[in-house]
Parts: sequence; C-alpha cells; structure tokens
Amino acid sequence: EPEVTQTPSHQVTQMGQEVILRCVPISNHLYFYWYRQILGQKVEFLVSFYNNEISEKSEIFDDQFSVERPDGSNFTLKIRSTKLEDSAMYFCASRFGSSNQPQHFGDGTRLSIL
Amino acid sequence: TQLLEQSPQFLSIQEGENLTVYCNSSSVFSSLQWYRQEPGEGPVLLVTVVTGGEVKKLKRLTFQFGDARKDSSLHITAAQPGDTGLYLCAGARNTGKLIFGQGTTLQVKP
Repeated sequence: EPEVTQTPSHQVTQMGQEVILRCVPISNHLYFYWYRQILGQKVEFLVSFYNNEISEKSEIFDDQFSVERPDGSNFTLKIRSTKLEDSAMYFCASRFGSSNQPQHFGDGTRLSIL
Repeated sequence: TQLLEQSPQFLSIQEGENLTVYCNSSSVFSSLQWYRQEPGEGPVLLVTVVTGGEVKKLKRLTFQFGDARKDSSLHITAAQPGDTGLYLCAGARNTGKLIFGQGTTLQVKP
C-alpha cells in the first residue's frame, strides 16, 4: 500500500541552525500538510499546501518556517534559526481529493534542538 | 479556538471488556477521522466518517458520527491485548486541516 515517507527519522541540531525536514507524499495525492506534536501534547496543524502554494497556516507557522515542493515528489519544511521550543515530532500528511477524504501520515521526524 | 475534547485520556481494562471513547466539539466538521498511533510512529488511519449519524464497523470496532457532525464515538467490543495503544480522533475543517483530540491511551490486560 502506498505510504508517506519522511526523512530523517531523527534530527539533532544546535539552536540557531537551520533544518530541512523532507517528505515524499503518496504519489497521486494533491494536498499536503505538516503537523507537529510536542512531547505529551496534541498533534497540532502547522500548514497546508495545494497547487504549489500555502492554502492555510496556523499561528505557529511564522516567518521562521517555510514549505516547498521543489519537484514532483518531495515536500519540505524548513525551519530557520531553530529554537529550543521547536523540539517536537513533525509529521507530514497527504490527501488525494476533497476535505472529506482522509489524510495519510508519515512516521514523523523527531527534531531535537540542543 | 477550535477544540476537540477526547475522553477518557487513559483507560485500563481487562481482556473481554467493552469500552467507548468519545470526541466532542462545539464545531461542525466536514468529516471525522480516527487514527491509532504506536510509539515512534505516525498516526495510522482506522476510519473516516462523513455523514451525520453514520456508523461504520471495523471488526470489533464501531465508529459513530453524531447527527450534527460535532461529535463521534469509538466502541470496542470484547477488547483484546492487541487493541492496546493510543487512539486519536481528528475533525476535518472545510479547509482540510485536522483538529486533533488529546488522544486516549488504552491498555488491555490479559
């Protein structure tokens, strides 16, 4: 069964450095998402992406964050000048069509900021 | 702020017992999805409910979407140790973004 893949599975970075988290969504899916989950807290929405542009973003998704779909398969989340509070699991998800259709999640990248 | 309240947060039961998990909101959702998440992995989709009043069954799991599409429940019949895990409900807004509940950690003891 097709799946969403994320790399790396674990990223350790010094505070202030830039990180890029990578995702390969399911190939025929059109809508792409990033979520994060801070340890012990809910999964929370960061951003949605459709037709090569951001369609919605949360308050968390400030100028420090950016997303890109550089080619036909990858979907990336860049975090500039990382902070300690950016430490979390970051999940990529994709969806084929209408909002009634389910989102499928990758296994996440654990980001640890030192 | 859109909230989806999931209860209970923790549930420990004996094998063979029945249980129900609830998700409640004051907001209407276009659909509601139930996921199961294992440690160190991403949420894995169990079911999507779309229509108010809809009931879906997945073996011993029964999912219901409220008539007003604001709430949902997951009922497990004759729970097995293999059902142990974290269950998440997530409501989809018209924009597509998911609002997650806090999760229910279920432990089924043999």
